[in-house]
Amino acid sequence: DGGITQSPKYLFRKEGQNVTLSCEQNLNHDAMYWYRQDPGQGLRLIYYSQIVNDFQKGDIAEGYSVSREKKESFPLTVTSAQKNPTAFYLCASSTRLGDVLGQPQHFGDGTRLSIL
Amino acid sequence: GQQLNQSPQSMFIQEGEDVSMNCTSSSIFNTWLWYKQDPGEGPVLLIALYKAGELTSNGRLTAQFGITRKDSFLNISASIPSDVGIYFCAGQQASQAGTALIFGKGTTLSVSS
Repeated sequence: DGGITQSPKYLFRKEGQNVTLSCEQNLNHDAMYWYRQDPGQGLRLIYYSQIVNDFQKGDIAEGYSVSREKKESFPLTVTSAQKNPTAFYLCASSTRLGDVLGQPQHFGDGTRLSIL
Repeated sequence: GQQLNQSPQSMFIQEGEDVSMNCTSSSIFNTWLWYKQDPGEGPVLLIALYKAGELTSNGRLTAQFGITRKDSFLNISASIPSDVGIYFCAGQQASQAGTALIFGKGTTLSVSS
C-alpha cells in the first residue's frame, strides 16, 4: 500500500538536544512538507520541498532544519534553538507543488514531540 | 503567513443533526480542499474543489466552491458519532501559484448520541 510513514510516533527530547523526525513516502510524489500542529492553531508550515536537494522555508522555520537527499525522504531536525518544540508534527506529500491548481496533500500519522 | 478564516471553531451537536462549516478569505482561491483529522492521526482528504460554483458530494458530505472564489462550505447531513474530529479547509491562492496550500485553523466537531 502506498503512503507516508512517520517515525517515531512519540519522541521525547531533553533540553538542549537536537532530534530528527523521519518521514518516508512511497507515493512517488515530488513535493513534501512539514507542519506543526498546536491546539487551536491549525497547521503551520515549517518547510517544504519541491524536488530533491531543494527546499524552502515556511511560516515558522526558525529552530528547524531539513534535508531532501532522496525523493522518498524528508527528515526534519528540531534544533536546540527551537524554544518551544512540544507539538504534534505532520509530514505530507503531493504529486507536485500546485501551479495554477492546488495539489491535494497526503498526510502521515504524525509524531508527537515532548520535552523532558 | 496568511491563514484562512474557518468557522465555527467548535460545534457540539446531537446525533442525526446536520452540520455546516465554512472558510473565508479576502483573497481569491483556485482550489479548495476539505480534510478530516481523527485524534492522534493525520488529516485525510474528504473533498477537492477546483471550479467556482462547484458542488461536490462524498456520501453524507457536501462541499461547495463559492461563486466569489473567496469562500467554501462543508455540510454534513445526519451526523453520526464517527463524524467526531477536526475538519480543516485548505486552499491554493490564485496569486500564489507554485506555493504550498494555506490551511484554516479547523472546526472541532463533537457528536453526542
